[in-house]
Amino acid sequence: GNSVTQMEGPVTLSEEAFLTINCTYTATGYPSLFWYVQYPGEGLQLLLKATKADDKGSNKGFEATYRKETTSFHLEKGSVQVSDSAVYFCALRAITGGFKTIFGAGTRLFVKA
Amino acid sequence: DAGVIQSPRHEVTEMGQEVTLRCKPISGHDYLFWYRQTMMRGLELLIYFNNNVPIDDSGMPEDRFSAKMPNASFSTLKIQPSEPRDSAVYFCASILWEATEAFFGQGTRLTVV
Repeated sequence: GNSVTQMEGPVTLSEEAFLTINCTYTATGYPSLFWYVQYPGEGLQLLLKATKADDKGSNKGFEATYRKETTSFHLEKGSVQVSDSAVYFCALRAITGGFKTIFGAGTRLFVKA
Repeated sequence: DAGVIQSPRHEVTEMGQEVTLRCKPISGHDYLFWYRQTMMRGLELLIYFNNNVPIDDSGMPEDRFSAKMPNASFSTLKIQPSEPRDSAVYFCASILWEATEAFFGQGTRLTVV
């Protein structure tokens, strides 16, 4: 079945450091890929998405590229801020999964001032 | 649109009591999902609906859980009888159509004592 694997956290960085959160997926067909962010006490919000191979999703300085050859969708940001502290979820949706959104386990990011 | 609206935001109940969680999806969205989030198990999909019809309830943990969607603008998740291990944050999400992202409500934090 379809699945998403993302790096375990927590990830602790200093402000202005470079961020990478790895995400790989297993799916038949051509899934859509997403990164969601969850701030404390809130629901998940879409951060960025990509719907086909080689697409790059970007938002708020974050970006991720849909790599079909490596089945990956790694999240990157060049310079993190304290306000980026949150839990980040990689997710996919595919017709082969009945369009259910499958989430990774989440990666908690702490950014220190 | 006000987004996905869930109520109540917090619920504390005694073991054995019935609990009903409510969700109003974004108007016009075709899909509605119920998720449960815990530290141990992360985000679990419980059930989802398409055009008010339950499509996949394989994630519903046991017969104590039931969900309904009587119309396009309202869904309920009921737990009867509730148990302490049901304590979690329950999220509702809606999607416009297959290729788009999910919009989440702010969740209901359920505590069963």
